Amino acid sequence: SQQGEEDPQALSIQEGENATMNCSYKTSINNLQWYRQNSGRGLVHLILIRSNEREKHSGRLRVTLDTSKKSSSLLITASRAADTASYFCALDSGQNFVFGPGTRLSVLP
Amino acid sequence: EAQVTQNPRYLITVTGKKLTVTCSQNMNHEYMSWYRQDPGLGLRQIYYSMNVEVTDKGDVPEGYKVSRKEKRNFPLILESPSPNQTSLYFCASSPYRGLAYNEQFFGPGTRLTVL
Repeated sequence: SQQGEEDPQALSIQEGENATMNCSYKTSINNLQWYRQNSGRGLVHLILIRSNEREKHSGRLRVTLDTSKKSSSLLITASRAADTASYFCALDSGQNFVFGPGTRLSVLP
Repeated sequence: EAQVTQNPRYLITVTGKKLTVTCSQNMNHEYMSWYRQDPGLGLRQIYYSMNVEVTDKGDVPEGYKVSRKEKRNFPLILESPSPNQTSLYFCASSPYRGLAYNEQFFGPGTRLTVL
């Protein structure tokens, strides 16, 4: 069955550094989405990339998608303490969404 | 303000006592979904609905019921809650555009404890 897998599970960096997290999946998708969750709160949508797109930018976020490798990466540039959160990829297979277990990002001041 | 609301936000109950968690969205979205979130397991989908009167099981539907009688509401029903249903629950909605859904909008979550 479809499943998203993020790696690393946890990432700790200094403020100003870049953070990269990856998502791999198994079957074909319509689009892939990235979400952020601050501790115990609802998820917030960050960016959506469609299956026919390879790269997308939104502010300090850059997402790539490689459908041949069934993988995506999320890059956060010039990180800030406020970026500390959990990040999830979500796979849209046409009828439902499947989330990965997430990457816990800590940005140290 | 466009939003997804859930009630209650916190609930402590006892095994076997039926409960309903309400979810409502004011964005006229076709798609609605319920997730539970447990430590180390991420979000797991319980049920989803692609439109009024259309519901489908997600990955972990056992012990839950849903209904979609109106477009804006998607209540989650636990007929006989058990301690293993202690979790953080999220409702979400999404618009359908073209051949695919788009970003999901999440409610603030309901923290349920079953004793």
